[in-house]
Amino acid sequence: EAGVTQFPSHSVIEKGQTVTLRCDPISGHDNLYWYRRVMGKEIKFLLHFVKESKQDESGMPNNRFLAERTGGTYSTLKVQPAELEDSGVYFCASSQGDTKLSDTQYFGPGTRLTVL
Amino acid sequence: AQSVTQLGSHVSVSEGALVLLRCNYSSSVPPYLFWYVQYPNQGLQLLLKYTSAATLVKGINGFEAEFKKSETSFHLTKPSAHMSDAAEYFCAVSKIQGAQKLVFGQGTRLTINP
Repeated sequence: EAGVTQFPSHSVIEKGQTVTLRCDPISGHDNLYWYRRVMGKEIKFLLHFVKESKQDESGMPNNRFLAERTGGTYSTLKVQPAELEDSGVYFCASSQGDTKLSDTQYFGPGTRLTVL
Repeated sequence: AQSVTQLGSHVSVSEGALVLLRCNYSSSVPPYLFWYVQYPNQGLQLLLKYTSAATLVKGINGFEAEFKKSETSFHLTKPSAHMSDAAEYFCAVSKIQGAQKLVFGQGTRLTINP
């Protein structure tokens, strides 16, 4: 079974440009999460989808970030326009969504974004 | 609110020595606790998790962690370090029941000396 995949693995853009990150969750997982790790700091939650709906977007830093999950399958995270402080590693995770037990999140390898 | 503190951003041990990575948490509700590991150029992999059953949790690769409510700790241990254990380790907390966001600590990079 394929794990969580993310594309691209690396992206280098200039300040003011737009970048779109993609995440493909494990097949059948209703829950999809985005996290970000800025260099030297902890991994921080950005948002959580349940199928195509945004369950929690309390971690989104500002309105330059737009996440979508059309059809409840893959998700995209767009940053427009990118700023220097957006540099970091963006992780995607997915989980089945068992409401009774702990729900294990499976992580992708991350996309390293560098804004120059 | 929930938070996690990992003591020591870098830990170095000799091959064959005890590995001890410290994690303390703060949570206003009963927590679930997790340890994840990230090997170079890979994603985060779940090592083990505490979900309010046994307080001593055994994970993959010989790691285990003990939930101590009185100390609000969830330290990760391994009796004998192996070179392949070199990686970055993350402690995380979440609320219980179902799909919940993870709150991570700062991470601890473990180096194994031959």
